[in-house]
Amino acid sequence: GAVVSQHPSRVICKSGTSVKIECRSLDFQATTMFWYRQFPKQSLMLMATSNEGSKATYEQGVEKDKFLINHASLTLSTLTVTSAHPEDSSFYICSARDSGLAGTHYEQYFGPGTRLTVT
Amino acid sequence: KQEVTQIPAALSVPEGENLVLNCSFTDSAIYNLQWFRQDPGKGLTSLLLIQSSQREQTSGRLNASLDKSSGRSTLYIAASQPGDSATYLCAVMSYSSASKIIFGSGTRLSIRP
Repeated sequence: GAVVSQHPSRVICKSGTSVKIECRSLDFQATTMFWYRQFPKQSLMLMATSNEGSKATYEQGVEKDKFLINHASLTLSTLTVTSAHPEDSSFYICSARDSGLAGTHYEQYFGPGTRLTVT
Repeated sequence: KQEVTQIPAALSVPEGENLVLNCSFTDSAIYNLQWFRQDPGKGLTSLLLIQSSQREQTSGRLNASLDKSSGRSTLYIAASQPGDSATYLCAVMSYSSASKIIFGSGTRLSIRP
């Protein structure tokens, strides 16, 4: 089945620094990827939709200058948390939509998540 | 705007019981509905995906139903086991949300040995 990977799986950074999280579709092409954030004991909240070759679309309340998204290829999207603060500590999950299935099943595949801790 | 609600928020039952988890959504114009399992500190495991044209899907001891007209889905777990303990998330992809997946708040399930 389709696999989505994320790197790193865990990261600890100091307040004020930036951290980059990668999301890759391993065996399919994804023109659209999504980034979610999950706080402890809460559900997943969509942060932004990442489209290959164009600017990401951010959900209401998500700071686009703080959460930089780049989708430079059909298999890679990156999320950079800039000037991280302790309140950015969360579980970040990406998902990718198989371009080959567009218009048919619209199935999305989820990555394993990245645990970010800002100290 | 699509909203997804799951009831109950938490459930604890003894091993061996059959149980039902509920999911409701406000906009019935959906592409599909999916049930996920999430273990603590882990990512999502897809359990069942029901397309808009389908009414149910089954996998092993799991059965998910979909009633678009009432905006409801149920996940039925037969003969529950301690290993079923996890958080179960319902997620909907709908036309009104531009094909984005919207998640419910989840049901934390605990199966007592």
